[in-house]
Amino acid sequence: NAGVMQNPRHLVRRRGQEARLRCSPMKGHSHVYWYRQLPEEGLKFMVYLQKENIIDESGMPKERFSAEFPKEGPSILRIQQVVRGDSAAYFCASSGLSSTDGYTFGSGTRLTVV
Amino acid sequence: GENVEQHPSTLSVQEGDSAVIKCTYSDSASNYFPWYKQELGKGPQLIIDIRSNVGEKKDQRIAVTLNKTAKHFSLHITETQPEDSAVYFCAATGSARQLTFGSGTQLTVLP
Repeated sequence: NAGVMQNPRHLVRRRGQEARLRCSPMKGHSHVYWYRQLPEEGLKFMVYLQKENIIDESGMPKERFSAEFPKEGPSILRIQQVVRGDSAAYFCASSGLSSTDGYTFGSGTRLTVV
Repeated sequence: GENVEQHPSTLSVQEGDSAVIKCTYSDSASNYFPWYKQELGKGPQLIIDIRSNVGEKKDQRIAVTLNKTAKHFSLHITETQPEDSAVYFCAATGSARQLTFGSGTQLTVLP
């Protein structure tokens, strides 16, 4: 079991470019969550998805950010027209069916906008 | 929504001493309280969790206590070692499924 796989580990984008972050959940997990962590800060919830469904996107900025979890393939967090303030570590986690199942986190994607 | 507060933000202890980190939560419907350890440059790793039907849980040197009436829970690490140095996060589930995290505690164990 490879755990939660995120790629790339590091991503550098120029201002105005698009960033695509990928997350493959643990085998058997059907719930995916994205969190953002600014330097020396906590984990802020962004979005919760199941296959082909966005369950809760209350933490997503209203513009430029989108997420999907297609029937086949990894979950994708997309940031359009990146700005310097988007520089952060983005973590994906997955969990099983129960609401009290623990999350398993990936190693994160560290996005740097130059 | 759920709000989780965590204290202290930094904690230094001598090797062998105990460390205690405390969290409070706001949503009385919360029923799951995990603790995560995050080392530099890595993702958070689940170290222990407790569910609302249990008041205390222990796993070797780590224990967690839960007081649902007061809406607070605590992490206790005994006989601390240098490898325990990391950032620790508490979290809680509210009426929504996703976890809400505390702001983290930087624990430093001094040799």
